[in-house]
Amino acid sequence: QVQLVQSGAEVKKPGSSVKVSCKASGGSFSNYAISWVRQAPGQGLEWMGGIIPVSGTPNYAQKFQGRVTITADESTSTTYMEMSSLKSDDTAMYYCTRGTKFAESPYYWGQGTLVTVSS
Amino acid sequence: DIQMTQSPSSLSASVGDTVIITCRASQGISNYLAWFQQKPGKAPKSLIYAASSLQHEVSSKFRGSGSGTDFTLTITSLQPDDFATYYCQQYGTYPFTFGPGTKVDMK
Repeated sequence: QVQLVQSGAEVKKPGSSVKVSCKASGGSFSNYAISWVRQAPGQGLEWMGGIIPVSGTPNYAQKFQGRVTITADESTSTTYMEMSSLKSDDTAMYYCTRGTKFAESPYYWGQGTLVTVSS
Repeated sequence: DIQMTQSPSSLSASVGDTVIITCRASQGISNYLAWFQQKPGKAPKSLIYAASSLQHEVSSKFRGSGSGTDFTLTITSLQPDDFATYYCQQYGTYPFTFGPGTKVDMK
């Protein structure tokens, strides 16, 4: 059974950076895309970007291009999402997700990482 | 980017009702459409992929249909556990995009 385990909650100052990890276990790691989805308090779901570890080439939503970096480490089956120049409206729950052999849309979800940006 | 819209944004229904949620893509996405259910404080749960294929162990009370730009999620015989927010997502073209959600609450 595939499991995605994310790093713990973070509290950051405006202008700083945060790096969230997502460790996968069970199933193949390299050939399935990991996507990052965030959800601000009381708001909807927002797809940020994703990466297929074997290719190493990420795709980003335009909104996050230049401010978010998604990487994957095949040796540890871990994906990372780093966001810089944090603002208060980046306060959100951040999820890593993975699809199945049938579809790239999220099926497996991490438990979420709450990132709070506050001065 | 492909924009996803959903209607209605919210609806009130009673136990036993059938509800229909509509999702529209700003351009054709074939059948690369997924539906999710989310309850407060929980991660979303995938219900349907490829517009109409039920995910593993998801009740057949959830039915997806559509292709191209127009899609629907039908939930039959609504039960207390079904009151939640529902999202569609296109995954045919990067960046993948979600609809704004439809909140289904109890009348």
